[in-house]
This record gives sequence, structure tokens and C-alpha cells, in this order.
Amino acid sequence: DTGVSQDPRHKITKRGQNVTFRCDPISEHNRLYWYRQTLGQGPEFLTYFQNEAQLEKSRLLSDRFSAERPKGSFSTLEIQRTEQGDSAMYLCASSLSPSGTATTNEKLFFGSGTQLSVL
Amino acid sequence: DQQVKQNSPSLSVQEGRISILNCDYTNSMFDYFLWYKKYPAEGPTFLISISSIKDKNEDGRFTVFLNKSAKHLSLHIVPSQPGDSAVYFCAASITKLIFGAGTRLAVHP
Repeated sequence: DTGVSQDPRHKITKRGQNVTFRCDPISEHNRLYWYRQTLGQGPEFLTYFQNEAQLEKSRLLSDRFSAERPKGSFSTLEIQRTEQGDSAMYLCASSLSPSGTATTNEKLFFGSGTQLSVL
Repeated sequence: DQQVKQNSPSLSVQEGRISILNCDYTNSMFDYFLWYKKYPAEGPTFLISISSIKDKNEDGRFTVFLNKSAKHLSLHIVPSQPGDSAVYFCAASITKLIFGAGTRLAVHP
């Protein structure tokens, strides 16, 4: 299967702990996105990369959140000092976009997500 | 600020009938609109899209209509099938996709 892969599928942690999620995009895709979804809401944009460059970060993303995409392949999302409000589904998506274009006129392919529960 | 709104949290339709899902947006700079479908425990999957320069796009049983003056788009599913039961998200893009809250569609026999 060559779809977007996320690991782990589920993560339960205690408040104050750090967690890290991994996303492996579709291999030829140059863009990678992180979204967060809570119950009854649509996916909420967190950040995105074009190759290894992080081009945009949501102002809703606190300093406790950091994302990396070394070498423009897989990406990690780390949450430090987790809070109960961080409990959500974290979704990764990838796409193939012409370099240099600022718009998103392409479809995103989503992974199955990582469900985070902070106790 | 909720730039993309889906005001109906749920919709129930009989099999074979038409399903119409609605979406409103506020930002006139959006240039591309998409519909995604989501089953439980899975990520959203792309369904159909439309550029802001068009007013209709059709793909099999699915048609998306765009009314730019009203800042409104809709997804029509004809005929509806039980396998269409899922949550449908409308999304609009500038530099990234912004999603609505979703509409849960239930198609019953």
C-alpha cells in the first residue's frame, strides 16, 4: 500500500508528558500537512511543509507543538507537556504541488490519523 | 473565525433519492473547493472538487454546484446508496484547505 501512513494509531498519555507522532507521506508528494480534528468538528489546519521547508504554521499552534520534516520525506509532530485539551485526532496529509505555487489546487491524501488521549 | 460553514450537522435520506449537502463560505479569495468523505476510524478521502471559475462539476453520481455570488456550494448525490452513509466535509483553499464542521449523511433502505 502506498498511501499516507501514520504511527501510532492510538496514543494514551498522562498530562505533562511529551508525545511524538510520525507521518510517512506518499513517496512522490512534496507537500505534507498536519491537521487536528476534535469530535463534531472538521479538520483544523496546524502546519504544512513543502519538501523540508515549513511554510506555514497556524497561529493556534502553541509553542508546545513542533513539527519537522527532515530531508523532505517523513514528518514528526511533537507535543511537549501535553494538556487534556490536546486530546484529538491528529491527521497527516500529503499532496503533489507544482513548486512555487502558493495555492492548494490539488487534492490532499489523508492518513488514518493518530488518536491522542491525554488523561 | 469560521470561514467555511456546514449548517446541517446531519441529513437522513432514503435509498435511491437525492442527497443535497450544503456549504457556505465567507472568504471571496477562496479559489478551489473540495468535498471529502469520512468513515469512522479512517482519514477523509477526496470525493470531488471545483475551481472558482466554474459553476458545476460532475463525476458519476456526484455533482458539485458553486454559486460565487451567494458564496455557497452544494454536493448532490443521485441516486443515494447505503454505502454513501458517512460524514461529508466541505473544504475551501487559498494556501491550505479550510474545512467545515461536516454533515453526517445517513442513507436508509
